[in-house]
Amino acid sequence: NAGVTQTPKFQVLKTGQSMTLQCAQDMNHEYMSWYRQDPGMGLRLIHYSVGAGITDQGEVPNGYNVSRSTTEDFPLRLLSAAPSQTSVYFCASSLKPRDRGSPLHFGNGTRLTVT
Amino acid sequence: GNSVTQMEGPVTLSEEAFLTINCTYTATGYPSLFWYVQYPGEGLQLLLKATKADDKGSNKGFEATYRKETTSFHLEKGSVQVSDSAVYFCALEGGATNKLIFGTGTLLAVQP
Repeated sequence: NAGVTQTPKFQVLKTGQSMTLQCAQDMNHEYMSWYRQDPGMGLRLIHYSVGAGITDQGEVPNGYNVSRSTTEDFPLRLLSAAPSQTSVYFCASSLKPRDRGSPLHFGNGTRLTVT
Repeated sequence: GNSVTQMEGPVTLSEEAFLTINCTYTATGYPSLFWYVQYPGEGLQLLLKATKADDKGSNKGFEATYRKETTSFHLEKGSVQVSDSAVYFCALEGGATNKLIFGTGTLLAVQP
């Protein structure tokens, strides 16, 4: 039972480079989301999706793009990396967006460093 | 808007000590409240939750009670173990889109 799988685990980029962080879940969850974790700031929501073909912005969306072409996958794209995007990124999913109290299932994170 | 405030860490305790990590929230309506735990090198895992006032969530010896009158959801454990060393996040969910808002996290270090 894989749950939420994130790749890569570690990545170093130079300023201006682009990359895609991958996230896949095998639990048939409708809701998927991306968070970034920074010291002293907890987790902040970047983008989320309530189903295939539907995405929306979270708290800190600037500099990131997402798409949701399938239920299973929710990639996060950095088009032009900046040092301010150095962080640990977590993908999380849950069964149904409106299921009150439905817990989020997290991947193990991607540690990104932008130099 | 909705927000969560939790006590800053690190919290350092000896094994078998009593643990309290404070969490207060600001929200409209009736949010659901959660505690998540993050062990080193891993993602967050749900520890416990409460979805309405006066509910008590419990798991692995940890407890938290949803107190609407004090807008609090403090985490407690009667006797901590070294294996409880982790970062603990209080979180709130409100609104129609299942957005979870997290506190800044509290690092707990339990020494043998």
